[in-house]
Amino acid sequence: DGGITQSPKYLFRKEGQNVTLSCEQNLNHDAMYWYRQDPGQGLRLIYYSQIVNDFQKGDIAEGYSVSREKKESFPLTVTSAQKNPTAFYLCASTRGQGNIQYFGAGTRLSVL
Amino acid sequence: EDQVTQSPEALRLQEGESSSLNCSYTVSGLRGLFWYRQDPGKGPEFLFTLYSAGEEKEKERLKATLTKKESFLHITAPKPEDSATYLCAVQDLIQGAQKLVFGQGTRLTINP
Repeated sequence: DGGITQSPKYLFRKEGQNVTLSCEQNLNHDAMYWYRQDPGQGLRLIYYSQIVNDFQKGDIAEGYSVSREKKESFPLTVTSAQKNPTAFYLCASTRGQGNIQYFGAGTRLSVL
Repeated sequence: EDQVTQSPEALRLQEGESSSLNCSYTVSGLRGLFWYRQDPGKGPEFLFTLYSAGEEKEKERLKATLTKKESFLHITAPKPEDSATYLCAVQDLIQGAQKLVFGQGTRLTINP
């Protein structure tokens, strides 16, 4: 079945540590997105990528980094510069402009 | 700046009690309004896309409508399995890439 796979489901970060969240899709979608969701708030855009080897900052990119070396994969690194990383992280993809964004199941990141 | 406001924040209904959720938006040029359903700890699931004022779409007990300033999600004779958070988002185009701006969601609880 086609879909978006996020891993791990739960992740814990220690002080000063970088952690990487995985997002893989087999939908042959061109564009991929990372969102952050905090309790009682809507989703906020961190980074997005329209094509391989190209990506742009969203509204809250500080403290995060991404790469897009393959069409299927768009990993997100939460760096030690992100001082409040505890949140639910969602990856999405879409075929192109005007099309529906489909979401993965999410990764919940907590700080130890 | 695009803004999306959903009301109420939370709604409790008895099984069979119909009601509506509201999504008010301000956007420079609406390219699409999206409704998603999100269950606790999971990613949003796509429900509807509306593109122009007057448009309506239905799916089982749900019906979405759109005006120039707001969208309503009407739920008719709800069942406990309709309990979820319902998210509204408007579509904007940033440098040719689709960007969704989300509201904070309405948490719907249907009591048996």
